[in-house]
Amino acid sequence: KAGVTQTPRYLIKTRGQQVTLSCSPISGHRSVSWYQQTPGQGLQFLFEYFSETQRNKGNFPGRFSGRQFSNSRSEMNVSTLELGDSALYLCASSLGGGPRQPQHFGDGTRLSIL
Amino acid sequence: QKEVEQNSGPLSVPEGAIASLNCTYSDRGSQSFFWYRQYSGKSPELIMSIYSNGDKEDGRFTAQLNKASQYVSLLIRDSQPSDSATYLCAVLTGGGNKLTFGTGTQLKVEL
Repeated sequence: KAGVTQTPRYLIKTRGQQVTLSCSPISGHRSVSWYQQTPGQGLQFLFEYFSETQRNKGNFPGRFSGRQFSNSRSEMNVSTLELGDSALYLCASSLGGGPRQPQHFGDGTRLSIL
Repeated sequence: QKEVEQNSGPLSVPEGAIASLNCTYSDRGSQSFFWYRQYSGKSPELIMSIYSNGDKEDGRFTAQLNKASQYVSLLIRDSQPSDSATYLCAVLTGGGNKLTFGTGTQLKVEL
């Protein structure tokens, strides 16, 4: 069974640009969550989508947004990039139907802002 | 107080020993607890989940949960050099699928 697939793996952008990251969940998984990982802040929750609806949101500015499509694939967008947005962005998927369904992570997209 | 706390380490253990990793959490309503392993430059990999008080064993790994003390631990028996990694404690908090992570404990298994 294929795992969570994230594209692209690496991305270099400059300040002020915008970026879109993509995540394909494990087949049958309906929940997709996004996390940001940095050396200083660790792993932080961005948001979760379930059945095309944002179900939960972390404490990030509105520049960070996402969406989910009917096939459960998800995209995350960051507008007006700042140097501090340099991070590993991780997508995780789960069946999504309850609290006892673990999340499985993709390999991540490493975003560098110059 | 942080929501999920772990000792950052590094925790050094000799090969073949038991490694004990600890985690405390602040939300008494939390129901689901997970341990992830993360090798340097890689993404987190789920190794254990636990939902009820007590112990849960899977191979060389044992997760322990004490909801009254708001404490979760992970024991790794017969530690191997390949177990050297950062171990992340994660707690499902609030509604939906929000995982709150500790900062991770770096484990080093020495030959």
